[in-house]
Amino acid sequence: DTGVSQDPRHKITKRGQNVTFRCDPISEHNRLYWYRQTLGQGPEFLTYFQNEAQLEKSRLLSDRFSAERPKGSFSTLEIQRTEQGDSAMYLCASSAAGAEKLFFGSGTQLSVL
Amino acid sequence: DQQVKQNSPSLSVQEGRISILNCDYTNSMFDYFLWYKKYPAEGPTFLISISSIKDKNEDGRFTVFLNKSAKHLSLHIVPSQPGDSAVYFCAASEWASGTYKYIFGTGTRLKVLA
Repeated sequence: DTGVSQDPRHKITKRGQNVTFRCDPISEHNRLYWYRQTLGQGPEFLTYFQNEAQLEKSRLLSDRFSAERPKGSFSTLEIQRTEQGDSAMYLCASSAAGAEKLFFGSGTQLSVL
Repeated sequence: DQQVKQNSPSLSVQEGRISILNCDYTNSMFDYFLWYKKYPAEGPTFLISISSIKDKNEDGRFTVFLNKSAKHLSLHIVPSQPGDSAVYFCAASEWASGTYKYIFGTGTRLKVLA
């Protein structure tokens, strides 16, 4: 069990650029979640996958955001035409089927200049 | 509408004393309640959880109490240690549409003074 892995840890980009983040969940976990956290707030739900199927998306996820989990293993989160308001920590988490515990990665800190 | 609230943004406690972190919720359909600890620039780490059918769960220095009638839970850390200094998030989960949905509070920053 190597835990949830996220890459990169930090990303600085200019407004208008596209960015992509990767998440590798715990290997036997079939559920994968993306959250966003800003200063002074708790993690806010963005989207959820069960295996390769994206089953739910938050209203926070505008059409500039897209997430994939093509083979039911790793996932990517892409933000197109970044805006300064996108600056946040993007957290990936995974859980096993039927389990209530959610395990988080270390997050990707995005700064949009 | 904030379904999970942590009304104390910060708490300072002397080393060796008890730390009590509080959390209130509004949705009576929540199945599980979880506490996470977060250090700066890291993701939240799972600490302890409690099912809605229980009123207490203990793991070493950490105990979570659930009062369903008051829709309130608390995390007790005793004795507190300087390494416990972190932000603590309360989370509540509800089983819906084939998965657990998690809602987090805004966190309480605990500082344990040596």
